[in-house]
Amino acid sequence: GENVEQHPSTLSVQEGDSAVIKCTYSDSASNYFPWYKQELGKRPQLIIDIRSNVGEKKDQRIAVTLNKTAKHFSLHITETQPEDSAVYFCAASKGSGGYQKVTFGTGTKLQVIP
Amino acid sequence: GAGVSQSPSNKVTEKGKDVELRCDPISGHTALYWYRQSLGQGLEFLIYFQGNSAPDKSGLPSDRFSAERTGGSVSTLTIQRTQQEDSAVYLCASRPRTGSGNTIYFGEGSWLTVV
Repeated sequence: GENVEQHPSTLSVQEGDSAVIKCTYSDSASNYFPWYKQELGKRPQLIIDIRSNVGEKKDQRIAVTLNKTAKHFSLHITETQPEDSAVYFCAASKGSGGYQKVTFGTGTKLQVIP
Repeated sequence: GAGVSQSPSNKVTEKGKDVELRCDPISGHTALYWYRQSLGQGLEFLIYFQGNSAPDKSGLPSDRFSAERTGGSVSTLTIQRTQQEDSAVYLCASRPRTGSGNTIYFGEGSWLTVV
């Protein structure tokens, strides 16, 4: 089955700096890679996703890159703000076909220091 | 409803008792997932439903855990003879059918405490 590894487990950055979180996956058939943000005591919420036919996607201060050959993808947050502090989860899934199990990474706790 | 609804939101139960957790997915979503999240930990996959069938229940930790889904909608996760290590947040998520988008939407979770 799919295995997703996520690094680092914790990350502290100064406000205004950039943050990068990296994930690798094992199943080359995975073709959908979402990122979720979970604030303390809240549900995980989708912040950005990328499909395997795209190498990069950007949404304001957030961007995700995907390297299918190396089977890794990364989340980039620029100009970090204190409200970016949360736990971030990457995930890998097969987005079509009958079997759609979603496998999550172990999470990265991001702390943005004002 | 507008989102994935879970009940109860909080449950305190005595060790050895059975509990049922309910998930009402977004209308029309065919895929439904249960995850477990212990305090400060990641999202542990439990079971996945496509319609009423469960093609993957490999994440259920023991035979004390079971889940069903009826009518392609509501799902119930049952934990029998609860143990203290079952204390966690149980998150349900749903997803539209293939070709209609891949976004997975989570409920607020059911916080289970076994004392």
